[in-house]
Amino acid sequence: QKEVEQNSGPLSVPEGAIASLNCTYSDRGSQSFFWYRQYSGKSPELIMSIYSNGDKEDGRFTAQLNKASQYVSLLIRDSQPSDSATYLCAVTVFGNEKLTFGTGTRLTIIP
Amino acid sequence: DAGVTQSPTHLIKTRGQQVTLRCSPKSGHDTVSWYQQALGQGPQFIFQYYEEEERQRGNFPDRFSGHQFPNYSSELNVNALLLGDSALYLCASSGETVEAFFGQGTRLTVV
Repeated sequence: QKEVEQNSGPLSVPEGAIASLNCTYSDRGSQSFFWYRQYSGKSPELIMSIYSNGDKEDGRFTAQLNKASQYVSLLIRDSQPSDSATYLCAVTVFGNEKLTFGTGTRLTIIP
Repeated sequence: DAGVTQSPTHLIKTRGQQVTLRCSPKSGHDTVSWYQQALGQGPQFIFQYYEEEERQRGNFPDRFSGHQFPNYSSELNVNALLLGDSALYLCASSGETVEAFFGQGTRLTVV
């Protein structure tokens, strides 16, 4: 079992709709959770961090964390073509700053 | 405020050669981590430097080594290059929080 799992996609969403990206992790000691956006040929860009159960909203982005289910998700509202990218889920374990990444989900917003 | 900067952006080396990649962290950050990202994969942790010491290391051979300088900048050295070392090498810096910010990366091609 991979430490961090994501559906590789591609995930196609119409412009203006909600894109939902999911991530599961295996280590129950995981304590910090991050979503990075990576455009083709570019480096990852941090867009959301979440540390406690529940929802965290930042503009059009909402991160959701459920530690009991070992599940973290990212919702993108009013999806725009510029949101087309690969979204990487990353976690850290308590006492360890190393980021463990999933393989990423490729998101395409269809105009 | 300059973000994380890496040099060079692209590099072509021959098998068996050695390479040095450089990273300057974001202002105010004292921790530097290096990651390797193969095509279609998530970044893989190589090692992390803090206070000029290697604090943590991932599952990479001893051919991969690094250094951190008093000004917090860092180098990644790879000896005896293999074709499989071709990848995007990413430097990330962090400070008081665990949020890590990436540089633009160095694309290494080994021929």
